[in-house]
Amino acid sequence: AIRMTQSPSSFSASTGDRVTITCRASQGISSYLAWYQQKPGRAPKLLIYAASTLQSGVPSRFSGSGSGTDFTLTISCLQSEDFATYYCQQYYGYPYTFGQGTKLEIK
Amino acid sequence: QVQLQESGPGLVKPSETLSLTCTVSGGSISSYYWSWIRQPPGMGLEWIGYIYYSGSTNYNPSLKSRLTMSVDTSKNQFSLRLSSVTAADTAVYYCARHISGASNVFDYWGQGALVTVSS
Repeated sequence: AIRMTQSPSSFSASTGDRVTITCRASQGISSYLAWYQQKPGRAPKLLIYAASTLQSGVPSRFSGSGSGTDFTLTISCLQSEDFATYYCQQYYGYPYTFGQGTKLEIK
Repeated sequence: QVQLQESGPGLVKPSETLSLTCTVSGGSISSYYWSWIRQPPGMGLEWIGYIYYSGSTNYNPSLKSRLTMSVDTSKNQFSLRLSSVTAADTAVYYCARHISGASNVFDYWGQGALVTVSS
């Protein structure tokens, strides 16, 4: 299975900050990468797919980039509602696999 | 607006079979792929497998020997059966729809159903 490794596992930031989360695949996955946001007690929400395509309805402060093995999720100006856990997911090969998550907390 | 709702027992005994159903409302189950994904308490996400509305399936190899998925298009439902469960199968189980175009990302999710394996 393709292993997805996110960094950092957790970190603190303030509203208005620009933050970047990294996801690395154990082998090349082209651009078959998605990002999800999950808040406590809720299902994950799709933010980005195909590495950089913003899902309908997702604010433009979210952006994604990368291809091959290295990917990033950037939030350009943190809002209070963005404090959550973020997961990357590869869908290049079976089984689909997720990163371990990055918990973004308020500083 | 498409909505998904998981249903089934919240408590299953070890060695027994876990059964869950996902009911889709606000849209048709046809022409889409549908997945099950689980999340042990406090942990990350694991893809379990998918079923197409036609009945074709693809399972995670780590669960394949214990897993059966089925679909009932007349009821707009699909189901999961996981046999010989252990405490390691305790998790919140989500059903989810694959985004249109047969891509393998998930745009609609159920609220999740906590299943605890315990005697």
